[in-house]
Amino acid sequence: AQKVTQAQTEISVVEKEDVTLDCVYETRDTTYYLFWYKQPPSGELVFLIRRNSFDEQNEISGRYSWNFQKSTSSFNFTITASQVVDSAVYFCALRRGAGNNRKLIWGLGTSLAVNP
Amino acid sequence: KAGVTQTPRYLIKTRGQQVTLSCSPISGHRSVSWYQQTPGQGLQFLFEYFSETQRNKGNFPGRFSGRQFSNSRSEMNVSTLELGDSALYLCASSLEARNTEAFFGQGTRLTVV
Repeated sequence: AQKVTQAQTEISVVEKEDVTLDCVYETRDTTYYLFWYKQPPSGELVFLIRRNSFDEQNEISGRYSWNFQKSTSSFNFTITASQVVDSAVYFCALRRGAGNNRKLIWGLGTSLAVNP
Repeated sequence: KAGVTQTPRYLIKTRGQQVTLSCSPISGHRSVSWYQQTPGQGLQFLFEYFSETQRNKGNFPGRFSGRQFSNSRSEMNVSTLELGDSALYLCASSLEARNTEAFFGQGTRLTVV
């Protein structure tokens, strides 16, 4: 069975602090995809990153960075120098790589509050 | 390029009624998926349509159904509404290639009273 766990339900930081959101996944597939989405109060899920199981290279995009480690089945997300606009719920998701299944398995999300 | 458009944004219905939600995907995207989001259960997959055919289905009762039209627009229908159907319903569209991501609309907030 596939599963995504985001153990941190809520995180509160002060602006300019660095914050890491944890994501641990379970799958028996050898090919799979991992995603992070951001959900602001408006409700729309905003795509942040996709990573396939064969690419363990870490990625940096501005203040955002992702650490993918297959050995620990983790795909953690770090925001450097957080800003108030980063306040949102962040979701980690998993999708099978084989076949035509587009179904995303979601973690329960981490609500991030960045205070001025 | 226009994003995923969902209508209506908000709905209030009475128990026992039925409701139809609409989703227009990004131009060129032929795969449309629907998700239900509730505080208790989080995000759960409802179904996926591709080229007017349901390709995958989640674990929801038969009261939840959907369809896709030739222009890739999709609708989902919930019949005999229950209080527990109150949720944010999100539609996502994606390209057919596997190595792609899904793009979401702003959702339809359904309240059943």
